[in-house]
Parts: sequence; structure tokens; C-alpha cells
Amino acid sequence: GDSVTQMEGPVTLSEEAFLTINCTYTATGYPSLFWYVQYPGEGLQLLLKATKADDKGSNKGFEATYRKETTSFHLEKGSVQVSDSAVYFCALRPPDDYKLSFGAGTTVTVRA
Amino acid sequence: DTGVSQNPRHKITKRGQNVTFRCDPISEHNRLYWYRQTLGQGPEFLTYFQNEAQLEKSRLLSDRFSAERPKGSFSTLEIQRTEQGDSAMYLCASRLQGVGGIEQFFGPGTRLTVL
Repeated sequence: GDSVTQMEGPVTLSEEAFLTINCTYTATGYPSLFWYVQYPGEGLQLLLKATKADDKGSNKGFEATYRKETTSFHLEKGSVQVSDSAVYFCALRPPDDYKLSFGAGTTVTVRA
Repeated sequence: DTGVSQNPRHKITKRGQNVTFRCDPISEHNRLYWYRQTLGQGPEFLTYFQNEAQLEKSRLLSDRFSAERPKGSFSTLEIQRTEQGDSAMYLCASRLQGVGGIEQFFGPGTRLTVL
């Protein structure tokens, strides 16, 4: 079945450091790919998405590129801030399907 | 704010009791989803509605669980005879199917603790 594997955490960084969270997926066809973020005490928020191969999603300085050849959707940010401390979830939605399949989440802590 | 709302935000109950959660989706969103999130894991799909029709149920949804969306607006998720293994965060999401984007909008969740 469809599944998402993402880098285990927790990840601790200093402010202005570079962040990468790896995400790979298994799916048939061309799923849509997402990164959701969950800030402390809040619900899941969509961070960015990509719906086809080579698409790049971007938001709030975060980027991820849909790589069909490596079945990956790695999340990157060039210079993190303390406010980026959160749990990040990679997710996919198969074509012609309705539900999201999530990875286990990666906890990121950014220290001043 | 017109986002997805869920009530209660926290529920503590004793094993064997029944609990009911409510989700109010974004107005006019025709699709409504329930997910369950256990500690250290990502959300797992439970069920979804297209308007008032429940179209799919995960095998995670045992016969102790029932969900309704009687008028195609708010939804309730009931757990009967709760067990300690039911302790989790229950998330609701909604989406407007057929128009524009594919994003599901999530509520803040209801955290259930079964003692």
C-alpha cells in the first residue's frame, strides 16, 4: 500500500542553520505530496504541496521538490528561526483517492 | 475565524465509558474526514463523509466507533466502551471537493485520555 517514510527526529538546530528533513514515499501512479506543520498546541497546517513530478512547493522560506525518480519530497529551509520549532509531517494523497497518508513526523527545535 | 473547530479539546474518561466528539467543518465544505493520531506517530485515516454520506471506513474503525454527519454540516464521532488503547488525538479535517485546491483543513483536535 501507499506509505511515507520521513527522517526520524528529534532535530535540534541553532538559529540561521540549514534544515533538511528527508521524506520518501511508496505509491502507485502520481500521488500529490504535502508537508504539514504542527506548532505546539495547534492543529496541522498545510506548509506546502506539489501535485506532479518536478513541481516545487514553497512557503515561508521552506521548499520541497517532487522527485519522481527518487520518490522523494525532501523539505529544506536555508535559515531557520526559533519560530520554526514544530513537528513536520510529510504526507501523500494518491490520485483519485481521498485520504492522506502521513509519515511519523519529525520534531524540530531551533535554539536561539 | 471560520476554520475547522472541534469540541471538546480535551476529554478524560474512565475505561468502559462512552464519549462523543464534535467537529464543525469550514462552512460549505462538502467533505469531512476523521483521523487518529497517537503519540509519536502521524495521523491515520479513520473515515470520511461526502455531505451526509459516510463513504469509507478504515479497518481501524472498530464496531465500537461510530461517526455521523446527519445534515451534511457538523459531524460527531462516538466511541463506546472506551479502552486505554483509544487514548489518542482525534483530528477532523474538511475540504471543498471539486473546486480548486486539494488541501484538507484540519481542526485543533480532541485529545482523549482513557484511564
